[in-house]
Order: sequence, then structure tokens, then C-alpha cells
Amino acid sequence: AQSVAQPEDQVNVAEGNPLTVKCTYSVSGNPYLFWYVQYPNRGLQFLLKYITGDNLVKGSYGFEAEFNKSQTSFHLKKPSALVSDSALYFCAVRDNTGGFKTIFGAGTRLFVKA
Amino acid sequence: DTGVSQDPRHKITKRGQNVTFRCDPISEHNRLYWYRQTLGQGPEFLTYFQNEAQLEKSRLLSDRFSAERPKGSFSTLEIQRTEQGDSAMYLCASSLEAGGDTEAFFGQGTRLTVV
Repeated sequence: AQSVAQPEDQVNVAEGNPLTVKCTYSVSGNPYLFWYVQYPNRGLQFLLKYITGDNLVKGSYGFEAEFNKSQTSFHLKKPSALVSDSALYFCAVRDNTGGFKTIFGAGTRLFVKA
Repeated sequence: DTGVSQDPRHKITKRGQNVTFRCDPISEHNRLYWYRQTLGQGPEFLTYFQNEAQLEKSRLLSDRFSAERPKGSFSTLEIQRTEQGDSAMYLCASSLEAGGDTEAFFGQGTRLTVV
């Protein structure tokens, strides 16, 4: 069965510092991996995805994520955090063996302090 | 078409009443998903449509819940005999799956409060 773990409920970082939001996954086949962001009273917004190819994926708003097959991880990163990055971040995984169900992690709240 | 729209945005209902939510996906998208999100949790998968066919229902979706997508366009999610435990944000998403995988685009959700 598919599963996603986001081990940190909250990440605090100072503006201008690099940020990392962690995600590990479990699927039976090769994974499709996604990151979404949710701002208060808003729906989920897609940030980036990994399907195949380059392990470093670049996405919206300067975010990137690194796929690591051996560690079954897909950590979200940004070189320099902004206060406006403060939000709830969700990692998600989908099994590429013909399933369509995307499973979400519990989310990590990112606080960026000025 | 600017995205996935959901109606209503908020619904307060008394326990035992029936409620229906509507989702209008992005027009060319053939897949439509319903998720439920409770406070502090990630979205939980409820059900999925490919065009008008409902292809999977989660075990979370009790027999009080029913979803339709009659013409492969908009979808409705009905909850009968609502319970306080049904209080949550109900999210709809759509995607275009044509020869490859693409991400799902989410609506802003319908927040249901059962009192």
C-alpha cells in the first residue's frame, strides 16, 4: 500500500536561510511524487512533481525537490526562504502501476521569520 | 475557465440533514477526485471518476455518501443523514490524463460544519 510520511509537524526558518521540508514514501512500483502548498482558506496549489528523469526537480516560486530512490525520500528545498513562503506543505505519492489514487502526507507547517 | 470551482464554500447543517456539494472541474480534464480534509491532517482520498465512470471508492466513503458525475463534467457529492464526524473540508480536484501522468488541480473546497 502507498504511504507518505512527513516527519516534521513544523519547520521554522529565518528569512534568507535555506529551508528543507522532509518527505519519505512507500509504494509498490515506481513512484509519482508531488508537493503541494496550502495557504489559509485556500485550496491546495501544485508546486512540483517527479515522474522520471532528473532527480532534482524545479518547481514554482523557487522551490525544488530531490528524489532519492535508495532513501525513498523526496525532500522539498529552497535556497533562500521568504516570509511569504509560510504555509502548510503536503507531500503526495501515487503508484504508477495503473492506480490513480494520490495519497497525501499529514503536512508540515513552515514558519519563516523576518 | 480559471480552475476548479466548488459550491458552496461553506455549509452549516443540522445533524441528520442531507447535504449536496458541487464541483466543476477544469473543462478539458477527464479525471475528477473528491478528498476530505480535517484540521491538522492531509487530504484523504474519497472517490475518483474517469469521465462519468466512478472507478474507486475509499472505505472512508460510507453508504451515506454518494458521488455522481452524470455527463463527465461537473460532479456532486451527497451526504445523507449527516453526523458531527462528517464536519470537514471537502476538496475536489481534476486532472487531464492523456498518455502520461499529470498533477491534480484543486478547488478551494467546501467547508462542512454539522451542528
